[in-house]
This record gives sequence, C-alpha cells and structure tokens, in this order.
Amino acid sequence: KQEVTQIPAALSVPEGENLVLNCSFTDSAIYNLQWFRQDPGKGLTSLLLIQSSQREQTSGRLNASLDKSSGRSTLYIAASQPGDSATYLCAGAGNTPLVFGKGTRLSVIA
Amino acid sequence: EAQVTQNPRYLITVTGKKLTVTCSQNMNHEYMSWYRQDPGLGLRQIYYSMNVEVTDKGDVPEGYKVSRKEKRNFPLILESPSPNQTSLYFCASSRFFGGPYEQYFGPGTRLTVT
Repeated sequence: KQEVTQIPAALSVPEGENLVLNCSFTDSAIYNLQWFRQDPGKGLTSLLLIQSSQREQTSGRLNASLDKSSGRSTLYIAASQPGDSATYLCAGAGNTPLVFGKGTRLSVIA
Repeated sequence: EAQVTQNPRYLITVTGKKLTVTCSQNMNHEYMSWYRQDPGLGLRQIYYSMNVEVTDKGDVPEGYKVSRKEKRNFPLILESPSPNQTSLYFCASSRFFGGPYEQYFGPGTRLTVT
C-alpha cells in the first residue's frame, strides 16, 4: 500500500530565503504527484501536478520535481514571503486512491 | 467556473441526529471521493466512487454512507453521528480514477458533533 511521508513536519525560515520541502513515497508505480497548499482551517489549493512522465513542473516561484526511481519529490520555493506561510501537502496517485502525506507546516518570518 | 461545491460549510449537530453533507462538481468527472482531516492524522479517505452507482470503501468508512445516483453529486451521509466524527471533511473529484488526472477539492465542511 502506498505510503507518503513529508519531512520536516514544520519549518521556519526568514523572509527571502529559498527552501525545499521533501516528499517521499513507497510505491514508484504512481501516475502523478500533486502538491497542495492549505491555510489553517481552510481548503486545499492545488499548486502543481507532476505526471509520471515528467521530471518537474514550475509555476512562478514554485518548482516541483519528481524522481520515481528514488521515490522522492521536492517542492522548491524561491525567495520566500510571509504570505507563503501555510501547510504544504503532497499526494501520490496510482492504481489506488490518492494518498496524502501529513504535510509540512511552513512559517516565513518577516 | 470549474468547481467542487460542498454544503453546508459549517455544521454543529448532536449525537444520533442524521445528517447529509452534499457535494457537487460541474466538470463531468467520473471519479469522486470523500476525505476527513484530523490533527496529527492527516487526510484519510472515507469512500470513493469511480462512476454512477459504483462506490467503494476507503480507509475509514465506518459510520458513513454514500450514494452516487448522478454523475455530478456524491453526498456523504452520517446516519447516527458520534463525537468522534467531529472533523473537517473534503469532497474531491477527478476526470477518472487513477491515471494522470488532477484532483479538485471542495472548500471543506467543518462538522462538530456534541
């Protein structure tokens, strides 16, 4: 059964810093990996979707990579801002329903 | 606008009083699912549906029912709610089950059972 792990569980950085969030998964037979953002008590906002045939996707200051062979995905945030403070979730989709990691809670300090 | 809608957004109820949380999508998606989110446990799938009249249990189906009579709607039914069902609930949809299809999420329903 697919398991998705996100490390660290929480991260605090000063404004302007570049940072990387990590996501690992146990079953490499995934069709895609999706990154979401969640503000406290709110819904999920889809940030990036990487299909299994792709190695990375970019949207603005965000870049997500996928390495199926190692079972890893990373979300790179450039020039972090206080507005980036949120919980970031990754989720893998394969022949089983979407499986979520527990998220990394990011705080960007002004 | 492509979207998944849920109603109600907030609900406070008492133990044992049947309730239904509605979910609707306007993207003609075949796959729909329900999740609950709890602190420390993350998002866990309750039920999913691969098409009309096709539903299956997720990881935590106890105490819940679903139905899929129309493609666009996937209501979540709690026939006898209990306090351990207090949670934040999300409905989601995608074009098909599996495959390289993006999941779209509703805004969430915060349920409190006293």
